[in-house]
Amino acid sequence: NAGVTQTPKFRVLKTGQSMTLLCAQDMNHEYMYWYRQDPGMGLRLIHYSVGEGTTAKGEVPDGYNVSRLKKQNFLLGLESAAPSQTSVYFCASSYSQMAAGPTDTQYFGPGTRLTVL
Amino acid sequence: AQKITQTQPGMFVQEKEAVTLDCTYDTSDPSYGLFWYKQPSSGEMIFLIYQGSYDQQNATEGRYSLNFQKARKSANLVISASQLGDSAMYFCAMRETAAGNKLTFGGGTRVLVKP
Repeated sequence: NAGVTQTPKFRVLKTGQSMTLLCAQDMNHEYMYWYRQDPGMGLRLIHYSVGEGTTAKGEVPDGYNVSRLKKQNFLLGLESAAPSQTSVYFCASSYSQMAAGPTDTQYFGPGTRLTVL
Repeated sequence: AQKITQTQPGMFVQEKEAVTLDCTYDTSDPSYGLFWYKQPSSGEMIFLIYQGSYDQQNATEGRYSLNFQKARKSANLVISASQLGDSAMYFCAMRETAAGNKLTFGGGTRVLVKP
């Protein structure tokens, strides 16, 4: 049981390049999320998904796209990377929003450190 | 207005002593949840404790307890008997039911435990 995994762990891009970050979870969670964490700050939500085939915008969605073709995977794409997207990216998953309790807890992956030059 | 505010950017605590990390929140949703996460230097986010807005008692998990004062909209984390391994960033987060299961994070507090 690996929990939430992220690929790759590190990546360096040049401005204008594209890339896809992969998040996978083996907990059969319905909800998945992508966050970014800038130095000295908390996490900010980029996009999220409430189930296979669905996606929705979070707090800072511009410059990113996502897809949830399979329940266990959530992809984050950068079509044309910019230096402002240099950050650590975290994926998370949770069971659902229906249970009003700690079962809603989001479990995080180890993060991907992205640098855009 | 900030939804989650952590006013202590950093603090030192002596090993074996208790430390309180402040968190205030702002919401008009009557149904919400409050979470604390720990982020050690290795970078992963570790869930520590949860408090629901309708919970009658303060949450406790081992050495972690949450001092929930609903009227004041505060959810302070208390770490008892600090250990060197408690040195990390600590984030308070809120989930508002009306906003789905999205978490809003505070800016974090860095804790350094001194031997």
